[in-house]
Amino acid sequence: EDQVTQSPEALRLQEGESSSLNCSYTVSGLRGLFWYRQDPGKGPEFLFTLYSAGEEKEKERLKATLTKKESFLHITAPKPEDSATYLCAVQRTGANNLFFGTGTRLTVIP
Amino acid sequence: GAVVSQHPSRVICKSGTSVKIECRSLDFQATTMFWYRQFPKKSLMLMATSNEGSKATYEQGVEKDKFLINHASLTLSTLTVTSAHPEDSSFYICSPLGTEAFFGQGTRLTVV
Repeated sequence: EDQVTQSPEALRLQEGESSSLNCSYTVSGLRGLFWYRQDPGKGPEFLFTLYSAGEEKEKERLKATLTKKESFLHITAPKPEDSATYLCAVQRTGANNLFFGTGTRLTVIP
Repeated sequence: GAVVSQHPSRVICKSGTSVKIECRSLDFQATTMFWYRQFPKKSLMLMATSNEGSKATYEQGVEKDKFLINHASLTLSTLTVTSAHPEDSSFYICSPLGTEAFFGQGTRLTVV
């Protein structure tokens, strides 16, 4: 059975304090791993897709990495506007839908 | 710009009434639409998959008679919550197949 576990559940950072969010996954054949940002009352906003172990992608202060068992979302020098819930999801080979983790709620304090 | 438009964003209804949520694909044809539900502080869970011109497929534990899905055209999929009860209060989100990057804005349903 597919499983996606995100940690920590919640994270408070001072502005400028870099950190990483973890997404551990178990899936029978990974087609893709997705990272999203979700603001309260909104739908998920796409950040990255990673397809194979060793792949890395960057966007502004965010960098996503992937291994065969987990993915990290690194946040460098975060700003208060980075406060949101970050969701990780996997897409299994042969399937089209996504299987989501419960997210990490990030709060960046000025 | 937005690829999918979902309405309404918020709805409050009385127990026993029905609510329709619309998801429109913009500038492309969506043959398949995924409908997810999200409870507070929980992950998005796939409820059902709607297919244009055919019956929707439902995930285990999701009542197809309560959550009616219609995908009558390539640009519109609807989810109707029938005879809504307070336990149906949740956040409902759609996403077209092939555009994992895009989700609807979500609909916050509150049943009182």
